Amino acid sequence: DIQMTQSPSSLSASVGDRVTISCQANHGIDNFLNWYQQRPGKAPRLLIYLASRLETGVPSRFSGGGSGTHFSFTITSLQPEDVGTYYCQQYQDLPFTFGPGTKVDIK
Amino acid sequence: EVQLVQSGTEVKKPGESLKISCKTSGYTFSNYWITWVRQIPGKGLEWMARIDPSDSYTDYNPSFRGHVTISSDISLTTAYLQWASLKASDTAIYFCARLRQDRAAAGTSDFWGQGTLVTVSS
Repeated sequence: DIQMTQSPSSLSASVGDRVTISCQANHGIDNFLNWYQQRPGKAPRLLIYLASRLETGVPSRFSGGGSGTHFSFTITSLQPEDVGTYYCQQYQDLPFTFGPGTKVDIK
Repeated sequence: EVQLVQSGTEVKKPGESLKISCKTSGYTFSNYWITWVRQIPGKGLEWMARIDPSDSYTDYNPSFRGHVTISSDISLTTAYLQWASLKASDTAIYFCARLRQDRAAAGTSDFWGQGTLVTVSS
């Protein structure tokens, strides 16, 4: 299985701050990577697919980048509704695997 | 409007069987794979399996193969996840989700059910 890691595991930032999360795969996955947001008590929500493509309806403050084994996810101006856990997921190979998540809250 | 509506909370005993459902609407069911994802309370997401409703072809995560079975019914536009013999370690929230059609996003879950909490306890 392809193993995904994320850093940091949690972060606390102020409203309006720029937030960046890293995701790394232990094998190359081209750009077959998704980013999901999971608000507390809710189902995950797709934000980014194919590493950098913004899902329809998702605010433009969210962005993703990278390819191969190193990826990043950025919120350019953190908002209160962005509190939750963010997961990367590779879909290069089965089984599709998720990173352990990064918990984001407001300072 | 695409919707995936899952069956309700279940409380079962170890050794019991269970089948939970994911009723879809708002799109052509046979055109999109359905996937299942487990989330143990307080933990992360785990990809379990996927099914192509058009022909019932399935792929399983080896970690779950043999312990769960996924299926679908085109006439009911519904997908299912079932256990023949539950364990306490199956206690979790289970999400169904629709997978994108195009190759570039084939592993991308764009619409999700609300989740089904399964509690297994003696």
